[in-house]
Amino acid sequence: LAKTTQPISMDSYEGQEVNITCSHNNIATNDYITWYQQFPSQGPRFIIQGYKTKVTNEVASLFIPADRKSSTLSLPRVSLSDTAVYYCLVGDMGGSTLGRLYFGRGTQLTVWP
Amino acid sequence: SAVISQKPSRDICQRGTSLTIQCQVDSQVTMMFWYRQQPGQSLTLIATANQGSEATYESGFVIDKFPISRPNLTFSTLTVSNMSPEDSSIYLCSVEKVTEAFFGQGTRLTVV
Repeated sequence: LAKTTQPISMDSYEGQEVNITCSHNNIATNDYITWYQQFPSQGPRFIIQGYKTKVTNEVASLFIPADRKSSTLSLPRVSLSDTAVYYCLVGDMGGSTLGRLYFGRGTQLTVWP
Repeated sequence: SAVISQKPSRDICQRGTSLTIQCQVDSQVTMMFWYRQQPGQSLTLIATANQGSEATYESGFVIDKFPISRPNLTFSTLTVSNMSPEDSSIYLCSVEKVTEAFFGQGTRLTVV
């Protein structure tokens, strides 16, 4: 399983765009990149998933360069409620590893008024 | 999607005792997963529970300490046995739907 490296913490202000980068140098051909968000006293929640280039949903965008050795989660116009820990996970979406998630340390994002 | 209910939401237990955590899913799933999140830490996978077979444990976790039951496709239990203060953590149940994982709210366990 590919190991991931993220900043431990980030600070932002309301209304700004936040970009969190994750490094995964030994990502495998079959691996997808998935981001989860966790609020205090809650389980993680799926944000976005991608394999290459760019993926966008109603919550965030995920940018993946051609070499796939890193990825960037982009949160547009953050609010106080986006304060949470964000986890980047890399893994094969099929086979025996399906559902077995290995979390790194995550990035604590704090949004200030 | 999937809705997961965990019971209890929190508990304070005496060392040496055991606690059984229940996890109920609103739909049938093949595999259910149990995680531990120690204070200020990330999530660590404990085991994978399949219906009709013994759970598969990750390195560092053993069945005697964390016995798991999976009686049907919507329910599982995790028991934390012979507890010590080091077992104080949040325990979370999870299921996978397509390629997205869904988590319960967790059980916050404090061992005194």
